[in-house]
Amino acid sequence: EVQLVESGGGLVQPGGSLRLSCAASGFTFSSYSMNWVRQAPGKGLEWVSYISSSSSTIYYADSVKGRFTISRDNAKNSLYLQMNSLRAEDTAVYYCARSAPLRYLTDWGQGTLVTVSS
Amino acid sequence: EIVLTQSPGTLSLSPGERATLSCRASQSISTSYLAWYQQKPGQAPRLLIYGASSRATGIPDRFSGSGSGTDFTLTISRLEPEDFAVYYCQQYGRSPYSFGQGTKLEIK
Repeated sequence: EVQLVESGGGLVQPGGSLRLSCAASGFTFSSYSMNWVRQAPGKGLEWVSYISSSSSTIYYADSVKGRFTISRDNAKNSLYLQMNSLRAEDTAVYYCARSAPLRYLTDWGQGTLVTVSS
Repeated sequence: EIVLTQSPGTLSLSPGERATLSCRASQSISTSYLAWYQQKPGQAPRLLIYGASSRATGIPDRFSGSGSGTDFTLTISRLEPEDFAVYYCQQYGRSPYSFGQGTKLEIK
């Protein structure tokens, strides 16, 4: 069974940093591309970032480009999102999601809440 | 960036009725790289449809997707009580892999 478990969320002040992690199990992590998707309270889904299986291809939403960095450690079956220069509008539940080869999102974690507030 | 517009914003129907949800793209989506997800309160989204019309594993056949180019539709043939949720379309043909704003399907 595919399992994706996010961690690292919490309360951070504007301008601060946070690193999210996603622990993957139940599949060969190194063979799959991964994504981060977020959802602000009471709002819709927003795709944040994509990383290919070998980390050779990385994409970001314009709203986070230059502030967020996606990475992975295939030896540790883990996905990361380093978030810097955080703003109030980054407040959201952050989901990690596995991509099929054609990049639709087949499996999702339960999410971790990031709150940016002073 | 491809902008996806879903309509209606809210759809009020009764169990047993047919639901038709629309997703319109600002540009043509290559090779029908369009997916639909269902999200219930407090839960992560779940993949329903990919490639515009292919059902994901375990998805009942009352869910169907259609369309190409810029116009796509999710149809639920006979609503079950568990189908009342929020539905999102997403294009994954070109980064950024944008979502629509969602359609809330509520019980009438």
